[in-house]
Amino acid sequence: EAGVVQSPRYKIIEKKQPVAFWCNPISGHNTLYWYRQNLGQGPELLIRYENEEAVDDSQLPKDRFSAERLKGVDSTLKIQPAELGDSAVYLCASSPYGYQLQFFGPGTRLTVL
Amino acid sequence: AQTVTQSQPEMSVQEAETVTLSCTYDTSESDYYLFWYKQPPSRQMILVIRQEAYKQQNATENRFSVNFQKAAKSFSLKISDSQLGDAAMYFCAYRSLLFGNEKLTFGTGTRLTIIP
Repeated sequence: EAGVVQSPRYKIIEKKQPVAFWCNPISGHNTLYWYRQNLGQGPELLIRYENEEAVDDSQLPKDRFSAERLKGVDSTLKIQPAELGDSAVYLCASSPYGYQLQFFGPGTRLTVL
Repeated sequence: AQTVTQSQPEMSVQEAETVTLSCTYDTSESDYYLFWYKQPPSRQMILVIRQEAYKQQNATENRFSVNFQKAAKSFSLKISDSQLGDAAMYFCAYRSLLFGNEKLTFGTGTRLTIIP
């Protein structure tokens, strides 16, 4: 069974540029999470989806961040415009609905110059 | 809100020896899950072990075991017979059972170095 797929693995951009990250969860997993991991820190939740619905986006900086999960499968996280402080690893995870385990992808390392 | 604290930023252990990583947490809930995740340089978060709070018996997975002290809100990870492949960042994480609060709350991590 394929794991959570994320792309790109690395992204380097200049500040004020837009950037997008893509996540394909494990087949059949209704719940999808986006986490941000700053250097030297643990991941922090940005947004959680149940199917197509964003059920917890309280930590998503909505002035510059947006996310979508069309058809309840793949998801895209966008930053526009990027700031220096957005440099981090962006992790996607998925799980079956209500299941306690989350399965993580390899993450995208974003560097904003 | 729940918090997770890992007070050891770095630990090192001789290969084949035993090491214990510490984790404490704060919650007002009586039932929850606790996890230890391993994150190697590849950045992939890999589940090491999990513990359900309602279970008194400490979880074990091969060379990995936990010491779960519910009253003290402590959840330490013991790695026996340490191997070079165990070198990584280790994160302790908490998950509520409350509906709508299914996120993982992570500590700041402990970097484990294995000395050959």
